[in-house]
This record gives sequence, C-alpha cells and structure tokens, in this order.
Amino acid sequence: EDKVVQSPLSLVVHEGDTVTLNCSYEVTNFRSLLWYKQEKKAPTFLFMLTSSGIEKKSGRLSSILDKKELSSILNITATQTGDSAIYLCAVNSNYQLIWGAGTKLIIKP
Amino acid sequence: KAGVTQTPRYLIKTRGQQVTLSCSPISGHRSVSWYQQTPGQGLQFLFEYFSETQRNKGNFPGRFSGRQFSNSRSEMNVSTLELGDSALYLCASRWGENTEAFFGQGTRLTVV
Repeated sequence: EDKVVQSPLSLVVHEGDTVTLNCSYEVTNFRSLLWYKQEKKAPTFLFMLTSSGIEKKSGRLSSILDKKELSSILNITATQTGDSAIYLCAVNSNYQLIWGAGTKLIIKP
Repeated sequence: KAGVTQTPRYLIKTRGQQVTLSCSPISGHRSVSWYQQTPGQGLQFLFEYFSETQRNKGNFPGRFSGRQFSNSRSEMNVSTLELGDSALYLCASRWGENTEAFFGQGTRLTVV
C-alpha cells in the first residue's frame, strides 16, 4: 500500500531557529513530491520536486529530494511567527496525490 | 486568473439529510480532487475526476459520491448525513497528472 510518512508530527521552536521537516515515502509509481503549507484553510503550494539532489529554494524555505533514500526534507531558516502552520508533503503516484499527516510547526516569539 | 472556487463556504445540516458541494476549478484544469479534513487528521482522499471520469476513489462509504461536468466543474454529494461527516471539505484542481494541485478555500460542513 502506498504511504507517505512525515516527521516530526509537531515541532515547537523559537523565532530565528532553523527547522528541518522530513517526508519519506513508499509508492508504486513515483512521479513527483510536493510540499504545501496550511495555515487556516486551503493548503498553499510551496515546491514540487521531481529530480533527486536538486534543491528548490524560495526565500528562507528550501527543499531537496533524495530518490535513493525515498525521502525529502523541507528546511526553513531564520524562522518567523508567520511560519507557524501545518506543512504537508504529498507524492504524485498513479494519478493520485498521496498525502502525509503533516507536521504542525509552532514558532514562539 | 481566478483560483479554485468552492461553494458554499459554510453549511449546517441535520443528520439524515443530504448535501451537495460545488467546486469550480482554475480555468484550463481538467483534474478535480476532493478531500475531507477533520481536526488533527491529514487530508483524506475522497475521489478524483479527470475529463468527467472518476479515476480514483478513496476509502469512503457509498454515501459519498461525485461527478464532473463537461466544463470541469465538479460536485460532491453526501447522502444520509452522519455526525462524523462534520469536516472541512477541500477541492483541488490540477492541469495534468504530474502538476501541482491548487486548493479552494473549502466548505465547512457541520452536521447536527
């Protein structure tokens, strides 16, 4: 059965810290891996990764895929209170996005 | 370019009733997926439609059904509502099978 596992499930850090969120997967037909941020309602798209070892970067956020290890990490540097959210990882496989349970990130001022 | 539009935004229904939720995808997107999200739970996949055909279905009872129209708009129907159906229902659209999904703001359904 296809599955996506995120860790940790929750994380509390102080403003300015750097965090690393993990996503591992076991799917039958990997096409791509996606990261989303969910604050109130709709998840918003962050990154899509298809090639191993190539880092995607947007401001203080970056992500990289390791196809050999079947995993991806999302890094957030110099965290701000506005980064508090649930971060979701999904894998594109057989026409379907398979979602992890998410990591709830809380940034304390 | 307009985003994904879901209507209504909020809904209160009583047990046993049925409900229909609507989703208008981004223009040009042919794939529409539906998800249920309850507090503390991740996104639970309901089904996905592509060009009016259901391609995948999640592990939900037959009370949950959907359809997609020729203009790619999609509806989701839940019959014989139960208290446990109270949730945020999210719709997402994609241009193709290996592209990112964009979400609507969701419909918050409360069953009393």
